[in-house]
Amino acid sequence: GEDVEQSLFLSVREGDSSVINCTYTDSSSTYLYWYKQEPGAGLQLLTYIFSNMDMKQDQRLTVLLNKKDKHLSLRIADTQTGDSAIYFCAESIEGSQGNLIFGKGTKLSVKP
Amino acid sequence: EAGVTQSPTHLIKTRGQQATLRCSPISGHTSVYWYQQALGLGLQFLLWYDEGEERNRGNFPPRFSGRQFPNYSSELNVNALELEDSALYLCASTRDRGQGEQYFGPGTRLTVT
Repeated sequence: GEDVEQSLFLSVREGDSSVINCTYTDSSSTYLYWYKQEPGAGLQLLTYIFSNMDMKQDQRLTVLLNKKDKHLSLRIADTQTGDSAIYFCAESIEGSQGNLIFGKGTKLSVKP
Repeated sequence: EAGVTQSPTHLIKTRGQQATLRCSPISGHTSVYWYQQALGLGLQFLLWYDEGEERNRGNFPPRFSGRQFPNYSSELNVNALELEDSALYLCASTRDRGQGEQYFGPGTRLTVT
């Protein structure tokens, strides 16, 4: 079955690194995504990783993928108050009919 | 390049009425997806349109329907509104049919009273 799990909350201090974790169950995932949602807004695509990669870096963001454990993480370096938001992990499945499977989101709170 | 746009931003309806929500994809994108984000339920896939055809639908009753126009914009219709239809409705688009990164619009907040 298809399931994406995330912890619901994470609190960090400004300037620290944040690590948001996600696990998925379907081994035929093709792409895995991280989206950010600020209050009252839509989803902003932050980054994505193809399932045959194990790491991707994009400025302050680092995505790590462990296919064996079906574990995905998003590291935000030098976390700022503007990073406070809900972060969603999502997967697309090979042969699926287009839709993404989302986790329930991790609410990141950044304390000054 | 303009992003995905949705209208209206907010919509207030009473139970039993019909709601129509609109979405314009990014220029050059042919696939449009609709998702419902209800409090406590996360993001749930509703419908996928590509090249004017409905390609897939999620686990929602038939009173949720829609269409895609020749310019690839899309409409979501919700008939016989129920209180639990209150949610943020998000539209996304992709360049390629059924694959690739999905870009989301700002959403329409539907409130049913």
